[in-house]
Amino acid sequence: QQPVQSPQAVILREGEDAVINCSSSKALYSVHWYRQKHGEAPVFLMILLKGGEQKGHEKISASFNEKKQQSSLYLTASQLSYSGTYFCGTERDNYGQNFVFGPGTRLSVLP
Amino acid sequence: DTEVTQTPKHLVMGMTNKKSLKCEQHMGHRAMYWYKQKAKKPPELMFVYSYEKLSINESVPSRFSPECPNSSLLNLHLHALQPEDSALYLCASSQVRDLGTDEQFFGPGTRLTVL
Repeated sequence: QQPVQSPQAVILREGEDAVINCSSSKALYSVHWYRQKHGEAPVFLMILLKGGEQKGHEKISASFNEKKQQSSLYLTASQLSYSGTYFCGTERDNYGQNFVFGPGTRLSVLP
Repeated sequence: DTEVTQTPKHLVMGMTNKKSLKCEQHMGHRAMYWYKQKAKKPPELMFVYSYEKLSINESVPSRFSPECPNSSLLNLHLHALQPEDSALYLCASSQVRDLGTDEQFFGPGTRLTVL
């Protein structure tokens, strides 16, 4: 079952922060985050596992709330290079059999 | 080498043609994937190979036929496609983990147009 992402699109000025949410009505085992720039392949950002901790780098991090079956991706002090479509991918168990991408959030960072 | 390569980059075919898409990786990954992506939509999983065996077939029509001849190569054979099959076809690879799906490395894709 496909997860839900919000917002569908967001426009930022360089240096602003953004939060992208991914949620499911089913219990989740893992949440994956990818970014896809226009005309390019998706690029992996991070995986969050059930029972795991918040992950990320200095300016891009994510959390996973197991009780709410929701993950949030935090983009801090956005850069022009952050523009693209962000997809979360979810799994309901650890058998690797039901990975599915969400519909995506289109992020545009303007100078 | 952390690259997944796909050939051809673009393919135009008629509904009666037979063609193949190719994907190659040399990262030692034992899981390989085919995705279909329509414009402004997420990648949609089609097939997964794990240790060269087909482990997932997401109810894909038989006009798409995958093949994994060895651990580095993945093919997608196309026959009698429909115009609605026009899309970007993405290949990906990953390590096989005991627990769930690992980080996937995607190739640049093949842009397929069916006339």
